[in-house]
Amino acid sequence: DTGVSQDPRHKITKRGQNVTFRCDPISEHNRLYWYRQTLGQGPEFLTYFQNEAQLEKSRLLSDRFSAERPKGSFSTLEIQRTEQGDSAMYLCASSLLQFEGYTFGSGTRLTVV
Amino acid sequence: DQQVKQNSPSLSVQEGRISILNCDYTNSMFDYFLWYKKYPAEGPTFLISISSIKDKNEDGRFTVFLNKSAKHLSLHIVPSQPGDSAVYFCAASPHTGGFKTIFGAGTRLFVKA
Repeated sequence: DTGVSQDPRHKITKRGQNVTFRCDPISEHNRLYWYRQTLGQGPEFLTYFQNEAQLEKSRLLSDRFSAERPKGSFSTLEIQRTEQGDSAMYLCASSLLQFEGYTFGSGTRLTVV
Repeated sequence: DQQVKQNSPSLSVQEGRISILNCDYTNSMFDYFLWYKKYPAEGPTFLISISSIKDKNEDGRFTVFLNKSAKHLSLHIVPSQPGDSAVYFCAASPHTGGFKTIFGAGTRLFVKA
């Protein structure tokens, strides 16, 4: 197992376009989390899944954001009609049910121009 | 509403000396506290944690202290090494409800050789 993988590493998109990011968690981890990090800030919680169920969404996750985790394996985060304020590092993390901290991926850096 | 605060954006320490990173929290529901370390272009890496039933946890050169009455925790690194230079995030989580973790803004540690 090579840890948490995120794809792509970098994405530059024009304002108004849709983007989709993928996260492959550690296979035996039941929980998967999405965070967003902007410059000079810590990661901010967006949403999390336990297996395939999305159990909580932050108010930061506007209607333009949607996340899925079909079959409780990989997850996707889609942003529709991107805005410049969506520019950030999007981090995925996973953990076991018995919590001992997250394992983060390297993130997807989104730049909206 | 910053539930986890790291008031020092940066800290500079001489190699071999002690590094002390501080963190304050406001939410009494937090009962599990963590420190993550982040190098550029990588996701945060879990470093050390402490449960609210303890006041100290040690792992090699890293020790975390928790003062529940003051809602304060600190990370001590002894001795500091140049490879410790990174951004350190304090984080807190309730040990229920999916372990949603709230992060501080981070402290950038510089260890000078």
